[in-house]
Amino acid sequence: SQKIEQNSEALNIQEGKTATLTCNYTNYSPAYLQWYRQDPGRGPVFLLLIRENEKEKRKERLKVTFDTTLKQSLFHITASQPADSATYLCALHSGYALNFGKGTSLLVTP
Amino acid sequence: NAGVTQTPKFQVLKTGQSMTLQCAQDMNHNSMYWYRQDPGMGLRLIYYSASEGTTDKGEVPNGYNVSRLNKREFSLRLESAAPSQTSVYFCASSEASDVADTQYFGPGTRLTVL
Repeated sequence: SQKIEQNSEALNIQEGKTATLTCNYTNYSPAYLQWYRQDPGRGPVFLLLIRENEKEKRKERLKVTFDTTLKQSLFHITASQPADSATYLCALHSGYALNFGKGTSLLVTP
Repeated sequence: NAGVTQTPKFQVLKTGQSMTLQCAQDMNHNSMYWYRQDPGMGLRLIYYSASEGTTDKGEVPNGYNVSRLNKREFSLRLESAAPSQTSVYFCASSEASDVADTQYFGPGTRLTVL
């Protein structure tokens, strides 16, 4: 069956450091992978989409890599800030809709 | 431009009661979705509508029905609520159901079934 796995343990880092979150998947052959951010009590918000032929994509302090051989995506937030504290979800298309990982909670402390 | 709106925000039901969750989008999107989110389970797709006039089951459709009323509106109905349906429900929309389409989510409905 198709699976999307993200670290269930929360990631705690200090302000200013780089946060790295991992998304692994099995039984997908994705052309695209997406990352979303979810704040408590709110719906997910789209952050970045990366194509299979893009090794890396950047948006401001965010960087995503996509390795279809390893079946893995890494999501980096550089110079992290307390406002970056949230849950981050990766998502892959199942053929008719997005399937989401369970998300990794990030806490950035001053 | 409100994006995706959902009503109500909160609801408490007794077992066996029925209710309809409403969702509307003003982005002229073709595809709409209903998810539920439970602790430790992540987002799970209940039903989706790839285009106006079509609806299909997702991963967890049992106990639910949907109606794509028009291009803007997609409702989710619980005919006889059960405690297992206590959850946070999110509606989402996208331009189409293509693999590259991103989804826009509503603020969610927090439902408790006693």
